[in-house]
Amino acid sequence: SAVISQKPSRDICQRGTSLTIQCQVDSQVTMMFWYRQQPGQSLTLIATANQGSEATYESGFVIDKFPISRPNLTFSTLTVSNMSPEDSSIYLCSANGQANTEAFFGQGTRLTVV
Amino acid sequence: AQTVTQSQPEMSVQEAETVTLSCTYDTSENNYYLFWYKQPPSRQMILVIRQEAYKQQNATENRFSVNFQKAAKSFSLKISDSQLGDTAMYFCAFIAGGTSYGKLTFGQGTILTVHP
Repeated sequence: SAVISQKPSRDICQRGTSLTIQCQVDSQVTMMFWYRQQPGQSLTLIATANQGSEATYESGFVIDKFPISRPNLTFSTLTVSNMSPEDSSIYLCSANGQANTEAFFGQGTRLTVV
Repeated sequence: AQTVTQSQPEMSVQEAETVTLSCTYDTSENNYYLFWYKQPPSRQMILVIRQEAYKQQNATENRFSVNFQKAAKSFSLKISDSQLGDTAMYFCAFIAGGTSYGKLTFGQGTILTVHP
């Protein structure tokens, strides 16, 4: 299994500002994923981050709002840009496990935009 | 596209009793994997149990077991001897093979409360 460290664990931000969330994996992984979990809701995939290529975004999510970096096989960042209260959510990163058939998660970042 | 449906928004059970959480899914894939994840208030997503679609035998992990009915596209989770620490949100999830390796599709979640 992979151990994933995500930070910050929580933050309160002013609207119009940006926050960068970091995700560090203890082993090299091919794919990393970023999810959003709105209050009381399920997880929705934002994008898939592959090392050495542009992230692939799901419908409803755009690069200008959620730029992602993947500089190497153990690290990724997600930036939430120009935040509004509607961006208040939990953001989780995950990485693929054995044979790319399971996913492990970071601890999540609880973001509140005021 | 895959969909996962959990029709029970909330469930409750007495400590030491058994509870079953329901999940159905829809896919045209033949190669896929199904999971149950637990999310306690700490927000950490914890893998509870995993089932490969090509295996007919139902997966078990200590007090947790699944009833996998591939033809019916049903994947329920049974928790035996429920404990207070089982209180959490439970998500059923799906990974298809092919190019979507590692990308999970989640159900809506079921909030489970275990009462003393």
